[in-house]
Amino acid sequence: AQSVAQPEDQVNVAEGNPLTVKCTYSVSGNPYLFWYVQYPNRGLQFLLKYITGDNLVKGSYGFEAEFNKSQTSFHLKKPSALVSDSALYFCAVTTEGRGATNKLIFGTGTLLAVQP
Amino acid sequence: DTAVSQTPKYLVTQMGNDKSIKCEQNLGHDTMYWYKQDSKKFLKIMFSYNNKELIINETVPNRFSPKSPDKAHLNLHINSLELGDSAVYFCASRRREGTEAFFGQGTRLTVV
Repeated sequence: AQSVAQPEDQVNVAEGNPLTVKCTYSVSGNPYLFWYVQYPNRGLQFLLKYITGDNLVKGSYGFEAEFNKSQTSFHLKKPSALVSDSALYFCAVTTEGRGATNKLIFGTGTLLAVQP
Repeated sequence: DTAVSQTPKYLVTQMGNDKSIKCEQNLGHDTMYWYKQDSKKFLKIMFSYNNKELIINETVPNRFSPKSPDKAHLNLHINSLELGDSAVYFCASRRREGTEAFFGQGTRLTVV
């Protein structure tokens, strides 16, 4: 069964500092990995994805994520946090190819709080 | 134009009632989903349809019944509503494997 873990309920960072939001996954087969952001009372917005290729993927609003197959991780990063980055972040995984279930499974979410 | 739209945005109803939430996507996507987000913000997949065919049906009570009249629509009907059904329900769609899903704005269901 596929699963996603986000070990931190909340991450606090000062504006201008780098931020990392952690995500690890468990799947059978090759993973497709995604990051989404949810602002209060809004739907989920897509940030970036890893399908194949370069392990470092760049996305919207200056975010990037690094796929690490040996550690089964896909941590979200940004070099310099903004107060407006404060939101709830979700990591998600699905699988591809033969036997893929088409399930898009989400982690429990990490609340990012950026202090001015 | 809104890519994935849900109606209504808010729904307040009494226990025991039957209600429906509608979802439409204008992206030409093949796959649509319903997710439930509870008070702790956990997102749980409920159903998935691919080209009007049900392909994922998680352990959801039988009171929940999805209906896909065509590829662009996936509605959710809930019978005999219970207090525990109170949550935000999100519809989503995506084109195929490996592509990102697009989400609607959510329907906040409150059962009183």
